[in-house]
Amino acid sequence: AQKITQTQPGMFVQEKEAVTLDCTYDTSDPSYGLFWYKQPSSGEMIFLIYQGSYDQQNATEGRYSLNFQKARKSANLVISASQLGDSAMYFCAMREGRYGGATNKLIFGTGTLLAVQP
Amino acid sequence: ETGVTQTPRHLVMGMTNKKSLKCEQHLGHNAMYWYKQSAKKPLELMFVYNFKEQTENNSVPSRFSPECPNSSHLFLHLHTLQPEDSALYLCASSQERTDTQYFGPGTRLTVL
Repeated sequence: AQKITQTQPGMFVQEKEAVTLDCTYDTSDPSYGLFWYKQPSSGEMIFLIYQGSYDQQNATEGRYSLNFQKARKSANLVISASQLGDSAMYFCAMREGRYGGATNKLIFGTGTLLAVQP
Repeated sequence: ETGVTQTPRHLVMGMTNKKSLKCEQHLGHNAMYWYKQSAKKPLELMFVYNFKEQTENNSVPSRFSPECPNSSHLFLHLHTLQPEDSALYLCASSQERTDTQYFGPGTRLTVL
């Protein structure tokens, strides 16, 4: 069964507007972590934001925030005030298992291609 | 140099060639990873090294051979590859006890 689902293959947003990228996950492990990465056309995978399953508050990092709804198993990324440089592929990923394990196996979704229009 | 670096950035090779990909991390991390990213497929974890010891091999064909001489360097040796091995190969590193993996810029490999 697919563990990370990103249902939006592509999204358009106008510059300076906010956009939400969807991510749902499936796990029976009570301890897990959720990540968002940005991949521009250059190929590098850039870490954006992290949410732990036990974190009480939604994570925020500058213009990025993670709308974590545990009961619905969703971890949507919200980008406020979009910029042209935000155009890229965005990947949601999940790490199962207890924090501080010897390995951190990430499971990635298929990604959402975001295009910011001027 | 900062972060995670990978060389070469682009590589074209024939099926009978032998080549190596190199990854170096300058973050003081203890775990390093190789991922494969093919078109229209999620990232696939290939190998994990923790303190220079291989801790995971995700059923990767033997034509891919990893090497981790120390916690800062990771190699992927390639030989007798197939055209379907053409992909972006990403290296990542993390602290043993933190969650976040930091990636390099990748090597785009084309097998003719």
